Amino acid sequence: QKEVEQDPGPLSVPEGAIVSLNCTYSNSAFQYFMWYRQYSRKGPELLMYTYSSGNKEDGRFTAQVDKSSKYISLFIRDSQPSDSATYLCAMNALGGSNYQLIWGAGTKLIIKP
Amino acid sequence: EAGVVQSPRYKIIEKKQPVAFWCNPISGHNTLYWYLQNLGQGPELLIRYENEEAVDDSQLPKDRFSAERLKGVDSTLKIQPAELGDSAVYLCASSSGTNTGETQYFGPGTRLLVL
Repeated sequence: QKEVEQDPGPLSVPEGAIVSLNCTYSNSAFQYFMWYRQYSRKGPELLMYTYSSGNKEDGRFTAQVDKSSKYISLFIRDSQPSDSATYLCAMNALGGSNYQLIWGAGTKLIIKP
Repeated sequence: EAGVVQSPRYKIIEKKQPVAFWCNPISGHNTLYWYLQNLGQGPELLIRYENEEAVDDSQLPKDRFSAERLKGVDSTLKIQPAELGDSAVYLCASSSGTNTGETQYFGPGTRLLVL
């Protein structure tokens, strides 16, 4: 079993819909949770970053972390065709040499005009 | 501010040939990462540098892969000889520190096809 599980999709929704993307993980030591967006033939770019549990909002994007369930989510409101991309979750643990990001496989999102 | 620069963007070679990828990180970023990304997968770390020192190369297949970052700025990743299974996207990333959670900035990647 992988440390981080993410549904590869594709997830296809109409423009304007609310999108929910999720990852589950097994390592309770993870404290830093990130969502990266990757357009086709581009490198990943950091979208949201959350430390420990709770919610974080940035414009149309909201990241949620539920450490008790080992479950993280990214919500996109008023989705736009330009949001069509692959969304990767990544996480790591606290301290010292535990810098290495553990990645999900990514969910491909398609927003239909 | 210029982002992470990688070249070439695409490379097609025959198996058993050598290949090299180049990366120039964001100015001032002392940490540099090389990742491999297969289709439909997340990036997999190959090697991490802090300045010119390779601080984690545990996942680098050293029989055929090598990397260097001589002056602590740009870096080269080499494969010799290439195998069919090396076909993937090779991503370079950089960050300004080494603290856990430090934001990594990625280049566009080099797409390698081994025939």
